[in-house]
Amino acid sequence: DAGVIQSPRHEVTEMGQEVTLRCKPISGHNSLFWYRQTMMRGLELLIYFNNNVPIDDSGMPEDRFSAKMPNASFSTLKIQPSEPRDSAVYFCASSGGVGKLFFGSGTQLSVL
Amino acid sequence: AQKVTQAQTEISVVEKEDVTLDCVYETRDTTYYLFWYKQPPSGELVFLIRRNSFDEQNEISGRYSWNFQKSTSSFNFTITASQVVDSAVYFCALSEEGYSTLTFGKGTMLLVSP
Repeated sequence: DAGVIQSPRHEVTEMGQEVTLRCKPISGHNSLFWYRQTMMRGLELLIYFNNNVPIDDSGMPEDRFSAKMPNASFSTLKIQPSEPRDSAVYFCASSGGVGKLFFGSGTQLSVL
Repeated sequence: AQKVTQAQTEISVVEKEDVTLDCVYETRDTTYYLFWYKQPPSGELVFLIRRNSFDEQNEISGRYSWNFQKSTSSFNFTITASQVVDSAVYFCALSEEGYSTLTFGKGTMLLVSP
C-alpha cells in the first residue's frame, strides 16, 4: 500500500489567499484525521471523520478553516483567507482500528 | 479530559548510552490505549507501539522497551545502546475507549551524537 498521501508537500502563499490541502487515506481505512503541528502548540487535532462523516471538528480554529471528505479516498482541508498564524505543518492520518494512526508526510504551509 | 505530559523537552546522549523517555497521562476512563510515535528529521510520524490499559506487561522490541505502570499513570520508553539514527522527536499519545483520536504529548527531542 502507498500509505497516506498528502499534497502539496510545501505551500507558500500570501496572506489572504485561499489554501487547499489534499489527502488520500489508506484504502480500507474508515477514519481520517487532520492534525496541525506547531512549535508552540505541538500536535493538535483539527477534525476527525468516520466513514466520510465529520465526527469531531471542535479543533478547527475558526470559520476560515473547513474540511470535506466527499468519498472514502479523498479529503481536503481549506483555509480561506489564510493568515500568517496559520503557518504550520498539517498532517493527515488514517486509521482502520483504535488509535493506530498512519500519518502522511505532512504539508509545510507558510503564509507570508 | 485526557492529557499527556512529556516533561523532557530535549535529551542529548552519546551513542551507546541508554536513554529513557518519560510519559505521564491523565484520563478518567478505565479503558484506554497508549502509544508512542517517532518523528525523524524527515518529518513523518511513525507508529512504534500501542498498549491497552488492561495489559501492563512490559514489552521489548529489539533495543526498544516500554514500561507501563498504571499505579503512576506512566508509560515510559527506553532505548538501549542508542544510535545516531534514533535521533528524532518522540511522542507519547493517549486514546480513550470508543474514541479513535489521539491526544499527543508535546514530544521529547532526542539527540544522539557519535
